[in-house]
Amino acid sequence: AQSVTQLGSHVSVSEGALVLLRCNYSSSVPPYLFWYVQYPNQGLQLLLKYTSAATLVKGINGFEAEFKKSETSFHLTKPSAHMSDAAEYFCAVSDRVHSSASKIIFGSGTRLSIRP
Amino acid sequence: DSGVTQTPKHLITATGQRVTLRCSPRSGDLSVYWYQQSLDQGLQFLIQYYNGEERAKGNILERFSAQQFPDLHSELNLSSLELGDSALYFCASSAAGGPSHYNEQFFGPGTRLTVL
Repeated sequence: AQSVTQLGSHVSVSEGALVLLRCNYSSSVPPYLFWYVQYPNQGLQLLLKYTSAATLVKGINGFEAEFKKSETSFHLTKPSAHMSDAAEYFCAVSDRVHSSASKIIFGSGTRLSIRP
Repeated sequence: DSGVTQTPKHLITATGQRVTLRCSPRSGDLSVYWYQQSLDQGLQFLIQYYNGEERAKGNILERFSAQQFPDLHSELNLSSLELGDSALYFCASSAAGGPSHYNEQFFGPGTRLTVL
C-alpha cells in the first residue's frame, strides 16, 4: 500500500526566507509524486509532479522538489517566500499502474504561514 | 479558475437527511473524482468515474453513492446524514484516457456541507 507522510502540520517562515516542506513516501513500486497547493476557500491546484524524467522537478510559482529514492523523500522548496505563498500544501503519491483507475493518495497537508 | 464547477457552494442540512452534490468537469475530461476533506480525516478519495462507469473506489461509505451521466456531469448522493459527514466535498476531473498520474487532476472549488 502506498502512503505519504508530511512532517509538520504547520510551517512558518519570514518573507524572503527559504521554504522547505517535507514529504516522505512509502510505495512498493516506483511512484509518481505530486505537490498540490490549496489557497483559502479554493480547491487544490497542481504545483508540480515527478514522473521519473528528472529527479529535480520545477513547478509553478518558483517551487521545486527533488525526488530522492534513497531517502524516500520528495521535499518541496522555494528559495524566497512571498506573502502570497501562504496556503495549505499537500504531497501525494500514485502508483504506476497503467489504468484509468489509478488513485492518488494525499498526505495530511502542511499549512504554510509567511511572517512579514 | 480550473474549469470544474460544483454546486451548491454551501449546504446546511439536518441529521438523517439526504443531499445531492453536483459536479461539471472541464470540457473534454472523461474522468471525475470525488474527495472528502475534513479536519480529522484530511483529504480522502471517495470514488472515480470514467466515461459513465465506476472505475475506482476509495473510502466511500455505503450511505454515499455517485453516478456520472451521459453529458459527463457527476452527482454525489449522501444519505442518512450524520454530524461526522460535515466536510468539504471536492470534485476533480482529468483528461480523456490514461491513468491519473499522466493526467493532472483539476479540482473544483468544493461544496461545504454542514450537518446540524
